[in-house]
Amino acid sequence: TQLLEQSPQFLSIQEGENLTVYCNSSSVFSSLQWYRQEPGEGPVLLVTVVTGGEVKKLKRLTFQFGDARKDSSLHITAAQPGDTGLYLCAGARDSGGSNYKLTFGKGTLLTVNP
Amino acid sequence: GAVVSQHPSRVICKSGTSVKIECRSLDFQATTMFWYRQFPKQSLMLMATSNEGSKATYEQGVEKDKFLINHASLTLSTLTVTSAHPEDSSFYICSVSPDTNQPQHFGDGTRLSIL
Repeated sequence: TQLLEQSPQFLSIQEGENLTVYCNSSSVFSSLQWYRQEPGEGPVLLVTVVTGGEVKKLKRLTFQFGDARKDSSLHITAAQPGDTGLYLCAGARDSGGSNYKLTFGKGTLLTVNP
Repeated sequence: GAVVSQHPSRVICKSGTSVKIECRSLDFQATTMFWYRQFPKQSLMLMATSNEGSKATYEQGVEKDKFLINHASLTLSTLTVTSAHPEDSSFYICSVSPDTNQPQHFGDGTRLSIL
């Protein structure tokens, strides 16, 4: 079983602070995706990283894929209350040539206080 | 616009009832869809992979006779929770992807509450 260890599980910070969320695994993933989920809704894709060492930026969010494609991080600069939500990392593993399966981390519940 | 439509969004019913949840791919044909279950403030757990025209593939520990999956067309998969009990209460979410190299798109989920 390919596990994704996501940390921290809970994070409560003040508006304007920076934060980093980590996802680590002992296994290699073909790609890794980050999602944000609000209560009562499905996850919404933020980014997909595919290449080892890849860095992608989405406004104040910076995503990095480890060189060995086993870990990833999400860094948020100057967090705002609107960033509050459950952040999920998910690693994709090939399931025999057909559509891949996603293995989800446990999620990071972020609260940004005004 | 939405890529995936999931219906109903919320169901409240008595113990022993069977409940059907629909997942529709709106933008593309999907030979494969995925069904997840999520408990409050927890992550998504893959339940099964729904395959168009063939049997679903269930993850370890998921009862296939309890959670019936039908993928009769390239745009529709259904999950039926048979003889539901309070412990089946959860948030059920489906996802679709146009192909292996594309990310999955998730429905808005179905909140199932069994009394």
